Amino acid sequence: EIVLTQSPGTLSLSPGDRATLSCRASQSVNSFLAWFQQKPGQAPRLLIYGEGVRATDVPDRFSGSASETDSTLIISRLEPEDFGVYYCHHYGSTRAFGQGTKVEIK
Amino acid sequence: QVYLVQSGGGLVKPGGSLRLSCAASGFSFSDYYMMWIRQAPGKGLEWVSFISSGGTYTRYADSVKGRFTIFRDNAKESVFLQMDSLRVEDTAVYYCAKDPLGDYWGQGTLVTVSS
Repeated sequence: EIVLTQSPGTLSLSPGDRATLSCRASQSVNSFLAWFQQKPGQAPRLLIYGEGVRATDVPDRFSGSASETDSTLIISRLEPEDFGVYYCHHYGSTRAFGQGTKVEIK
Repeated sequence: QVYLVQSGGGLVKPGGSLRLSCAASGFSFSDYYMMWIRQAPGKGLEWVSFISSGGTYTRYADSVKGRFTIFRDNAKESVFLQMDSLRVEDTAVYYCAKDPLGDYWGQGTLVTVSS
């Protein structure tokens, strides 16, 4: 079973700040990692997958990178609509989600 | 336009059963794996199960193995989650999603297990 650990648990930032979110897998995931954004009462939205591929209609202020066991999501300049909870997701031979990182307004 | 429309869910007593449905449109359903994910109140996402495009290969999270069954009807472009022996800790919003990326999700349906 692959376990994904996200850090930090919470990021308190202001609009315009840069956000860096991390996801570490307990074993190799061969870059099969994706990132989702979720806002209250809504289904998650796919943002980034694989080696930094943006999903449809995702703004270019979102970027990502992935390696065998790690992935990073960067939001270059936070917009008000970017505040919410972010999850990483492994989609290889099995599936798993990280526990989430909350990006909140400082 | 891709749609995943869920139905089912509701209140059930511990030990009871419930079936969730997810009807797809807007993509070639029979070509894709599908999955179910749940989210307990105030908690994070938990992957529950996935099923292969032809329906012959399935996998489950340990927390539901032996109690939940995923299946699909490609002619009706639908995927289902049969939930038996339900426990209080199965209370959650359940989502279906296009596997493996999760690029499309259903609207979610609340399952409440309570006496």
